[in-house]
Amino acid sequence: KAGVTQTPRYLIKTRGQQVTLSCSPISGHRSVSWYQQTPGQGLQFLFEYFSETQRNKGNFPGRFSGRQFSNSRSEMNVSTLELGDSALYLCASSLSGLSTDTQYFGPGTRLTVL
Amino acid sequence: AQSVTQLGSHVSVSEGALVLLRCNYSSSVPPYLFWYVQYPNQGLQLLLKYTSAATLVKGINGFEAEFKKSETSFHLTKPSAHMSDAAEYFCAVIDSGGGADGLTFGKGTHLIIQP
Repeated sequence: KAGVTQTPRYLIKTRGQQVTLSCSPISGHRSVSWYQQTPGQGLQFLFEYFSETQRNKGNFPGRFSGRQFSNSRSEMNVSTLELGDSALYLCASSLSGLSTDTQYFGPGTRLTVL
Repeated sequence: AQSVTQLGSHVSVSEGALVLLRCNYSSSVPPYLFWYVQYPNQGLQLLLKYTSAATLVKGINGFEAEFKKSETSFHLTKPSAHMSDAAEYFCAVIDSGGGADGLTFGKGTHLIIQP
């Protein structure tokens, strides 16, 4: 069974631009969560989508948004990029969501904002 | 609210020695606890998880962890370190009530294996 895939793997943007990251979960998984990883703040929860609905949300500004499609693939969008948005963005999928389900992580998208 | 503290941002052990990575948590509801490992330029891989069954949890690659409620700890151990264990290790907690705050991670511990 194929793992979680994320595209693109690397991205360079400039301040003020917007960016869209994509995550394809493991086949059959309906939950997709997104995390931001930075050296200073570590790993922080962005949001979780389940069956095309945002179910949980972390403490990030509204510039960070996401969506999930009927095939469970998910996209994350960041508008008006800031230097501080430079990070590794990880997505994780699971069968039915957070809590006891094992979260399977993708390799991440490394975003650099110049 | 939930939080995780990992003591020691870097831990160095000799090959063949005991590995002990410390994790303490706080949670307002019974927690579920996880250890993940991250190799350079890769995502996170689950080592083991505690979900209120046995308090001693065995994971992959010879790792195990013991949930101690009285100490609010979930330390990760391995009897004999191998060079391939060098990586970043993250302890994470999620509340058992549905995970509204997602996984909360510790800052991570970089494990260094000395030959």
